[in-house]
Amino acid sequence: QLQLQESGPGLVKPSETLSLTCTVHGGSMSSSIYYWGWIRQPPGKGLEWIGNVYYIGTTYYSPSLKSRVTISVDTSKSQISLKLNSVTAADSAIYYCVRLVALTGTPYFDSWGQGTLVTVSS
Amino acid sequence: SYELTQPPSVSVSPGQTARITCSGDALSKKYAHWYQQKSGQAPVLVIYEDNKRPSGIPERFSGSSSGTMASLTISGAQVEDEADYYCYSTDSGGNHVFGGGTKLTVV
Repeated sequence: QLQLQESGPGLVKPSETLSLTCTVHGGSMSSSIYYWGWIRQPPGKGLEWIGNVYYIGTTYYSPSLKSRVTISVDTSKSQISLKLNSVTAADSAIYYCVRLVALTGTPYFDSWGQGTLVTVSS
Repeated sequence: SYELTQPPSVSVSPGQTARITCSGDALSKKYAHWYQQKSGQAPVLVIYEDNKRPSGIPERFSGSSSGTMASLTISGAQVEDEADYYCYSTDSGGNHVFGGGTKLTVV
C-alpha cells in the first residue's frame, strides 16, 4: 500500500528557505500516469495547491508561488522535495505530499501524506 | 484567477440527506473531485471524476455534475460524516484549484 511521508524542519525563520522531503513507500514513482506534488493548508484555512513534478523532472507550479518554489524528484531514492524561499508568516501551514492521477484532462490527488506543520517565526 | 465556490456550511440531522454544491465556470468542461477532511487528519478522496467512488468509500456518498455546478450528496448522513468537504478541479490553464470548503455538521 502506498505511503507518503513528509519530513523536514518544523520551524523556519522569516526570509529563509523552507525545505521538505517526501519519501514514497510501497509504490513506483516512475509510472506514466502519476505525478507527485505538494499542497499546503494554513491552520484553520483551506487547501492550496503548490505544484507537481513528473518522474522525469517536469514541473508545474501555482502561479501565485511560482517565483519562490522549486519541486524536484529523485526516483532512485523514491523522494520528492520542496523548496520555498523568502518565507514569511503567511507560509506557515501544514504541508502535504500528494500523488496525482493523470488519466483524464482533470487529474486528481488520490493519496496524501499525513502532513507536516511548518511554522515561520523568528 | 479561477475560483470554485462552495457554501461555508451545511447542517443536517442524522439520517437526512446532505448536499454540498460547488460552482465554477470550467466545471462544464472539467471533472469535479471531492475530498473529506476530518479534524486533525489529511484529506481523503471520496468522489472523483464527478461521480465515481473510490474503493472503501461508503455507498451513501455520491456525486453529480450539471453545467457549471457539481454536487456531493450524502444520503443518510451519519455523525461520523461530520467533516470539511472540498471540491477540486483544474482550470483551462491546468492550474489546480480547491473550493473554499464546506463544514458539514450532522447533529
